[in-house]
Amino acid sequence: AQRVTQPEKLLSVFKGAPVELKCNYSYSGSPELFWYVQYSRQRLQLLLRHISRESIKGFTADLNKGETSFHLKKPFAQEEDSAMYYCALRMDSNYQLIWGAGTKLIIKP
Amino acid sequence: NAGVTQTPKFQVLKTGQSMTLQCAQDMNHNSMYWYRQDPGMGLRLIYYSASEGTTDKGEVPNGYNVSRLNKREFSLRLESAAPSQTSVYFCASSLSGSFTEAFFGQGTRLTVV
Repeated sequence: AQRVTQPEKLLSVFKGAPVELKCNYSYSGSPELFWYVQYSRQRLQLLLRHISRESIKGFTADLNKGETSFHLKKPFAQEEDSAMYYCALRMDSNYQLIWGAGTKLIIKP
Repeated sequence: NAGVTQTPKFQVLKTGQSMTLQCAQDMNHNSMYWYRQDPGMGLRLIYYSASEGTTDKGEVPNGYNVSRLNKREFSLRLESAAPSQTSVYFCASSLSGSFTEAFFGQGTRLTVV
């Protein structure tokens, strides 16, 4: 069955340290992968999508089809990065998104 | 610019009661979605509407019905609430399917006692 796994429920790092939020997926077709973020008292919003190959707020994510991973990385964490991060998978242009359980990122000063 | 508006934000129901969650978007999006989120789990799709006039079941449709009233509005109805439906409900919309960004409402926290 299709699945998205975010192995860390909580990740705590110091300001200025590198951050990597892990996302693994199980799907044999052509995936579309997304990272969404929810800051405190704000709505869930798109952070980035793999097709864009963009850097948003210093975050990047590379789709590794061999390892079926889409890890989110940032070289130097900032306090405003503290939030819940969700990885999501859409399969073959289907409307349904499969979501990971989320990782709570805490950046310590 | 309201985006996606859900009402109510909080609701407590007794087992067996019915209620409708309302959702409206002002972005002229074609597709709308209802998700539920339970502790420790990702969002799960209840129903979606790919375009005005169509609705389809998602991963967890049992116990729910939906209505795409027009392009702007997509409501979710619980006919006979059960404690297992205690959850946070999110409405979302997107312009279309592939690679498009989903915009979310602020969520409805529903408790069924």
